Amino acid sequence: KAGVTQTPRYLIKTRGQQVTLSCSPISGHRSVSWYQQTPGQGLQFLFEYFSETQRNKGNFPGRFSGRQFSNSRSEMNVSTLELGDSALYLCASRASPGQLNYGYTFGSGTRLTVV
Amino acid sequence: DAKTTQPPSMDCAEGRAANLPCNHSTISGNEYVYWYRQIHSQGPQYIIHGLKNNETNEMASLIITEDRKSSTLILPHATLRDTAVYYCIVRGDNYGQNFVFGPGTRLSVLP
Repeated sequence: KAGVTQTPRYLIKTRGQQVTLSCSPISGHRSVSWYQQTPGQGLQFLFEYFSETQRNKGNFPGRFSGRQFSNSRSEMNVSTLELGDSALYLCASRASPGQLNYGYTFGSGTRLTVV
Repeated sequence: DAKTTQPPSMDCAEGRAANLPCNHSTISGNEYVYWYRQIHSQGPQYIIHGLKNNETNEMASLIITEDRKSSTLILPHATLRDTAVYYCIVRGDNYGQNFVFGPGTRLSVLP
């Protein structure tokens, strides 16, 4: 079955702009999480959504937001972009608890560059 | 903060077994040990996970000590394509807990 799909793969934005990234989870997966990866901070958790509700949130400013749709697809938005927001943004999906594999499956990420 | 400690880097000769250690001395009874790896600029890839028994799949073996305070990921016959950053993560299975990635171990498989 198809993996986690993230679009776009690459994006260049100007400081002060806003950006929306998209993630389609594996079919049947209802949980979607977002991570930011930078060389200095490594992989950092942004938020997790399940059944269209944010279930957990990392330590990021309110400029970072997300949502999940009824088909489990998710979007994350970053407003008022800063140079430090340049990063690889990773989406991960997983099946519900009670299933054998509780681990996440990650997408290939969206590489955001803010100039 | 990550609940695990891993060496920052390791080398392994191609064709030999790679043994990657992980310390998780504060692991609690309902927390699993997960291993992921990340090849440059790709998303992390799931390798294996376990609770207290040793586990094996087509990619690797996971050996968890009896007291569960440490574990070892074993790649039985490392290839150049196994060069990656390997992350050891402990996590319980509920939606209140996310995966906390530490810096991991950068494994270099040498020809």
